[in-house]
Amino acid sequence: NAGVMQNPRHLVRRRGQEARLRCSPMKGHSHVYWYRQLPEEGLKFMVYLQKENIIDESGMPKERFSAEFPKEGPSILRIQQVVRGDSAAYFCASSPQLAGVEQYFGPGTRLTVT
Amino acid sequence: ELKVEQNPLFLSMQEGKNYTIYCNYSTTSDRLYWYRQDPGKSLESLFVLLSNGAVKQEGRLMASLDTKARLSTLHITAAVHDLSATYFCAVDGWIGETSGSRLTFGEGTQLTVNP
Repeated sequence: NAGVMQNPRHLVRRRGQEARLRCSPMKGHSHVYWYRQLPEEGLKFMVYLQKENIIDESGMPKERFSAEFPKEGPSILRIQQVVRGDSAAYFCASSPQLAGVEQYFGPGTRLTVT
Repeated sequence: ELKVEQNPLFLSMQEGKNYTIYCNYSTTSDRLYWYRQDPGKSLESLFVLLSNGAVKQEGRLMASLDTKARLSTLHITAAVHDLSATYFCAVDGWIGETSGSRLTFGEGTQLTVNP
């Protein structure tokens, strides 16, 4: 059973460009979570999604960030007009249909904004 | 808002010594997780603590949970160099079936074990 997959693993963008980060949950998992880790800090919750629904986006910055988890395909975290402060590691986690159980983390996407 | 505090944030210790990392959290929760992270890597799940009084051990690491005190500890016994990493605790702030879970992480404890 493959684990949570994220791609790309490393992404370099210039200021003002768009970044798209992809997350494929573990097989059978329908809950996806995105977390951001700034350098030398812990992970911070961004958004929680189920298929075709955003359940909790209270951790998402108000502007430039959006997330989706379509019926088919991976979950996408999209950052428009990136700035240097967006440089971070972005981790996706997934859990099975029943909420309130352990989340399994992907390898992360390390975004560098130049 | 759920807050999670770890201490110490930095820990340098000699091989063979024992030490404890503490994780305090601010609201009621019955689920607490410990993770290990090596530089540039993802999180490796170490322990899942699901009830008051839970104690789990794996090798030189032992974790416990006291939900009444809102405290978890990660005890390191006879440290070895391979344990050098950053350790995070995370508390599940599960709101309910309609809102699901979100993990709130501590700041992390950067452990260095010196030969």
